[in-house]
Amino acid sequence: QVQLVQSGAEVKKPGASVKVSCRVSGYRLSELFMHWVRQAPGTGLEWLGGFSPEEDENIYSQKFRGRVVLTEDTSTDTAYMELSSLKSEDTAVYYCSASYKTISGLVNNAVNFQHWGQGTLVTVAT
Amino acid sequence: EIVLTQSPATLSLSPGETATLSCRASQTIFNYLAWFQQKPGQAPKLLIYEATKRATGIPARFSGRGSGTDFTLTISSLEPEDFAVYYCLQRSDPFTFGPGTRVDI
Repeated sequence: QVQLVQSGAEVKKPGASVKVSCRVSGYRLSELFMHWVRQAPGTGLEWLGGFSPEEDENIYSQKFRGRVVLTEDTSTDTAYMELSSLKSEDTAVYYCSASYKTISGLVNNAVNFQHWGQGTLVTVAT
Repeated sequence: EIVLTQSPATLSLSPGETATLSCRASQTIFNYLAWFQQKPGQAPKLLIYEATKRATGIPARFSGRGSGTDFTLTISSLEPEDFAVYYCLQRSDPFTFGPGTRVDI
């Protein structure tokens, strides 16, 4: 069973960057594709970016393009989300989510967000 | 950008009743729609993908319908653990979530 364990809470100043990690266990990261979603306090879910099997590369929400970078270290089965030029509005819980690259031997582009990390609270404040 | 609208914002029901949640897309998304359940302090949970297919381990009382721009999530015979917030998500261009529907007792 896939388990995702995220790094701990962060407090950052406006203008700084934050890098959140998401360690995979129970499966190899190379056999999964990852997405990142955030949730500001008391609000809904917002997609930041993730891997597109159709395009075979990371794709990003237009809102965050240029500010967010997704990377992976398959040697440690850890995915990363880095968000730069932080503003107070970026205060939120950030989630990683994983899905299988293949299902029953076929490329999976239909089932996304199957497994979730516990969330990482990022607070941006002076 | 494709915008998803969910209605109603809040649904007040009792255990045993049926919940019908709506999600409407601003343009066709074919069947590229998923539904998620989120309880306070927890990560979301995938319920339905491709509009009608239940994710692994999801009870049969959860069912999805629709294609194009209009979609419905039905929860038959509500259990106490079903009271939560439900989000729809489209993966057509590329991904956006709806604002959510809260199902309250």
